[in-house]
Amino acid sequence: AQTVTQSQPEMSVQEAETVTLSCTYDTSESNYYLFWYKQPPSRQMILVIRQEAYKQQNATENRFSVNFQKAAKSFSLKISDSQLGDTAMYFCAFMKHRSSNSGYALNFGKGTSLLVTP
Amino acid sequence: SQTIHQWPATLVQPVGSPLSLECTVEGTSNPNLYWYRQAAGRGLQLLFYSVGIGQISSEVPQNLSASRPQDRQFILSSKKLLLSDSGFYLCAWEKRDSLPNYGYTFGSGTRLTVV
Repeated sequence: AQTVTQSQPEMSVQEAETVTLSCTYDTSESNYYLFWYKQPPSRQMILVIRQEAYKQQNATENRFSVNFQKAAKSFSLKISDSQLGDTAMYFCAFMKHRSSNSGYALNFGKGTSLLVTP
Repeated sequence: SQTIHQWPATLVQPVGSPLSLECTVEGTSNPNLYWYRQAAGRGLQLLFYSVGIGQISSEVPQNLSASRPQDRQFILSSKKLLLSDSGFYLCAWEKRDSLPNYGYTFGSGTRLTVV
């Protein structure tokens, strides 16, 4: 079974600063996908960024980027130029690669609550 | 464009009462559908998923059941609610042929409080 660990229950950052959220995972799979989801106070789960394990290049989406270290099984999220609207719970998630159209679970960490302060 | 609808947004039900939460997806066909539960202070736990009409896979034994009567409709039910069923329930969908995987799209969730 795959496990996802987010070791930082809560973090805070000042507006315009940079913050990094940590995520580690445990798997014996060689091909898989990693995700960061954001859950603001509205509770809507929003996909922030995704990474395919076979790609060495780190994914970026505007102010969001990841540091993917496959050997270390680490997948951290960096938020640059933090904005008040970034305040949310952030979840790291893992899914193994599927060779068919079968359904498969996203395995989530317990989340990191990020507060962006003025 | 594809959209996912989930209702009701909030629900307060007495112990022992039945439950029915509904999720529908628009703008796509043959989606994989998922029900997750988020308990306070915890991550998301997969409850059920479905890859087609009438096809339900259960991930954890519990007081809940799921059904998929139509291609884009996914229902979460219980005959008799327990206090431990309280939580935030999220429905999600993905394109069945989405390889490589692009992740799920979630509904807005249902806050269930069993009293």
